[in-house]
Amino acid sequence: DAGVIQSPRHEVTEMGQEVTLRCKPISGHDYLFWYRQTMMRGLELLIYFNNNVPIDDSGMPEDRFSAKMPNASFSTLKIQPSEPRDSAVYFCASSRRVVAGGRNTGELFFGEGSRLTVL
Amino acid sequence: GDSVTQMEGPVTLSEEAFLTINCTYTATGYPSLFWYVQYPGEGLQLLLKATKADDKGSNKGFEATYRKETTSFHLEKGSVQVSDSAVYFCALISNFGNEKLTFGTGTRLTIIP
Repeated sequence: DAGVIQSPRHEVTEMGQEVTLRCKPISGHDYLFWYRQTMMRGLELLIYFNNNVPIDDSGMPEDRFSAKMPNASFSTLKIQPSEPRDSAVYFCASSRRVVAGGRNTGELFFGEGSRLTVL
Repeated sequence: GDSVTQMEGPVTLSEEAFLTINCTYTATGYPSLFWYVQYPGEGLQLLLKATKADDKGSNKGFEATYRKETTSFHLEKGSVQVSDSAVYFCALISNFGNEKLTFGTGTRLTIIP
């Protein structure tokens, strides 16, 4: 079974440009998480979805960041306009419920990440 | 709110040494506890887990026991290898309320041949 797939793996852009990161979760998983990782701030949860519905976006830094999950097999994280301080590795992760109708197992499967550099 | 505290790194050990990485947590109810590992250039991956008190999670020679009385979940390995060099994250998920994981800050481990 394929794991979580993220694209692009690397992106270099200039300040002010729009950036779109993409994620395909593992088929059958119910939850999708977007994280950001930097040396200074460590691993930060940006937003998570349950059955394609955004549940907690309290970690989204500001209005320049937006995330969507139009269906169970695809999600995007968009930054518009991008700034140098957005440079980081962005991870997508997915997980499933313990049982049907139950809670998140907590067993997250991470993608390989998208390394973003904003000049 | 929920929180996870793990020992500051970096930790440097010689091959075949004994490893302990401490992790303590604060949570209401009965959380599930996890250790994730991140190898260079990769995403995190689940190493082991425990879902209730006194459970022992184990994988690849690593072990951790869910100690409710001390609110701890320390990671141990009897004989580390160079290939164990990575960043290790302790985490928990509550059994009610928000369904996101709470991660510790990570501990960087380097094993010297």
